[in-house]
Amino acid sequence: NAGVMQNPRHLVRRRGQEARLRCSPMKGHSHVYWYRQLPEEGLKFMVYLQKENIIDESGMPKERFSAEFPKEGPSILRIQQVVRGDSAAYFCASSPARDEQFFGPGTRLTVL
Amino acid sequence: GDSVTQMEGPVTLSEEAFLTINCTYTATGYPSLFWYVQYPGEGLQLLLKATKADDKGSNKGFEATYRKETTSFHLEKGSVQVSDSAVYFCALSDRSTLGRLYFGRGTQLTVWP
Repeated sequence: NAGVMQNPRHLVRRRGQEARLRCSPMKGHSHVYWYRQLPEEGLKFMVYLQKENIIDESGMPKERFSAEFPKEGPSILRIQQVVRGDSAAYFCASSPARDEQFFGPGTRLTVL
Repeated sequence: GDSVTQMEGPVTLSEEAFLTINCTYTATGYPSLFWYVQYPGEGLQLLLKATKADDKGSNKGFEATYRKETTSFHLEKGSVQVSDSAVYFCALSDRSTLGRLYFGRGTQLTVWP
């Protein structure tokens, strides 16, 4: 059973561009959580999704950030018009229920 | 709201030394408690967990006991190895907040041979 997959592992964008981060959960997992890790800090919750539904987006910035988890395909975290402060590691985790979460290797976003 | 306070690092130890990393929490409900480990350039791996008061989680020589009276979940290992060098995160999850994890800031552990 493959683990949680994230791609790309590293992403470089210039200010004002869009960043798309993908997360494929473990087989059989229908719950996906996204977290952001800023330098020298712990992970901060962003959004919780189930297939085709956003359950809790209370940790998402109000503007420029969006997330989806379609019926088919990976979960996508989208950041529009990136700024330098968006540079961070973005991790997704999947779970078969609201239980133990299994983390992917992360996408490290660098905004130039 | 729910939160986790974790001992500041970095922690530097010699091989075979005793390790303690302190973690205390604040929660409105009855949380589950976790320790995650992050090796350089990798994602987080679950190290151990405890789901109710007085439970002891253990794995790979690491232990932590869920202490409700002191709201603590300190990580211990009797004899660390160089391969234990990593960042350790304490976290909690509460069903009332839909299972999201609240993390401490992380503690960098470096073990020298």
